[in-house]
Amino acid sequence: DSGVTQTPKHLITATGQRVTLRCSPRSGDLSVYWYQQSLDQGLQFLIQYYNGEERAKGNILERFSAQQFPDLHSELNLSSLELGDSALYFCASSSHIGSEKLFFGSGTQLSVL
Amino acid sequence: QQPVQSPQAVILREGEDAVINCSSSKALYSVHWYRQKHGEAPVFLMILLKGGEQKGHEKISASFNEKKQQSSLYLTASQLSYSGTYFCGTGNRDDKIIFGKGTRLHILP
Repeated sequence: DSGVTQTPKHLITATGQRVTLRCSPRSGDLSVYWYQQSLDQGLQFLIQYYNGEERAKGNILERFSAQQFPDLHSELNLSSLELGDSALYFCASSSHIGSEKLFFGSGTQLSVL
Repeated sequence: QQPVQSPQAVILREGEDAVINCSSSKALYSVHWYRQKHGEAPVFLMILLKGGEQKGHEKISASFNEKKQQSSLYLTASQLSYSGTYFCGTGNRDDKIIFGKGTRLHILP
């Protein structure tokens, strides 16, 4: 158990809908990362937060947004969902930023039908 | 900016050795290695920082050549438990970690 909690584990929804993925980092970790994993695409970096502030952005679509709250949990919002958004979404946390060991949650499997 | 891993996939018999390579087009401060088993989350293996040191355990180790912007992961006398997808991630001091597409390793008994 990495100590990172992601909910829900599975999400099935229809195109055009909006969903929210939630992540609770390990106790004491200030940095949260979101990654998208699709077949043959590896782990695509989406966005990173550190202590409530956006730190870095990757290939995150405009339809996607995220935030980190004062209690350090984070949410990833996906809207106007398309079939191609179906993927496994991982949250990871680390104590600080930069070259730190990442602890990954078990992921949220999103299926858009 | 995504690091390039090679090979894409490897099939070995138990006891054989494997090398997985990772290269980047930009200067690196650190290289991270993770292993992901099917249906599970990636799990940390090691981090290598600038300096070219080789780190790791007896049978899983890695090197980092900062001048060549390359890292290699060495798996010696592979065991069945080594099967999975290996990801290298690259980062700068205060920056995000970008992962390659992964190398699938399958160990046969």
